[in-house]
Amino acid sequence: DAKTTQPPSMDCAEGRAANLPCNHSTISGNEYVYWYRQIHSQGPQYIIHGLKNNETNEMASLIITEDRKSSTLILPHATLRDTAVYYCIVSVSTGTASKLTFGTGTRLQVTL
Amino acid sequence: GAGVSQTPSNKVTEKGKYVELRCDPISGHTALYWYRQSLGQGPEFLIYFQGTGAADDSGLPNDRFFAVRPEGSVSTLKIQRTERGDSAVYLCASSSGFGKQYFGPGTRLTVL
Repeated sequence: DAKTTQPPSMDCAEGRAANLPCNHSTISGNEYVYWYRQIHSQGPQYIIHGLKNNETNEMASLIITEDRKSSTLILPHATLRDTAVYYCIVSVSTGTASKLTFGTGTRLQVTL
Repeated sequence: GAGVSQTPSNKVTEKGKYVELRCDPISGHTALYWYRQSLGQGPEFLIYFQGTGAADDSGLPNDRFFAVRPEGSVSTLKIQRTERGDSAVYLCASSSGFGKQYFGPGTRLTVL
């Protein structure tokens, strides 16, 4: 699986958009970009994933560059409950089975 | 509905002892994964099951670690002759498809 590079930490004011970048310059054509987050003392939580088109769901938006070498996760209106470690993962999805390779992620701190 | 559950939530054992960690996946999920997370690190893949069989056990660190899923639902991770370096949070996840994994809260294992 391709490796990803994320900043170790970011701050965001509550109510503002949080934009979390991820570089995955060695991504292969059949690899998806996944985002998970882990709130303190909980298991990771799926946020969103995409292949090459931008994606949006009730939690976030995912913007993938045209060359697919980087992406940005956008939380449109961050709240204190969004404080967590955010992981960007690239993985081949083969039916039901896709092993996830986590890095160290970005620790997002949302402040008042 | 019920999510992934793991028991016990905490386990303290002595070096050299045998431990079993249990995972109850979401009903109907065919894929089940085990990960291990050390302090300050992202989760590290150990093994995954597709149904009853271990489809990929490449992440198991050595032959002291073993996992089973005899009826394709509940899984047990077994660790023999525990060492202090085995101390970590052991996470279980299940999936019904397309890379979206649902994680349990984890079992915190402490080896004294």
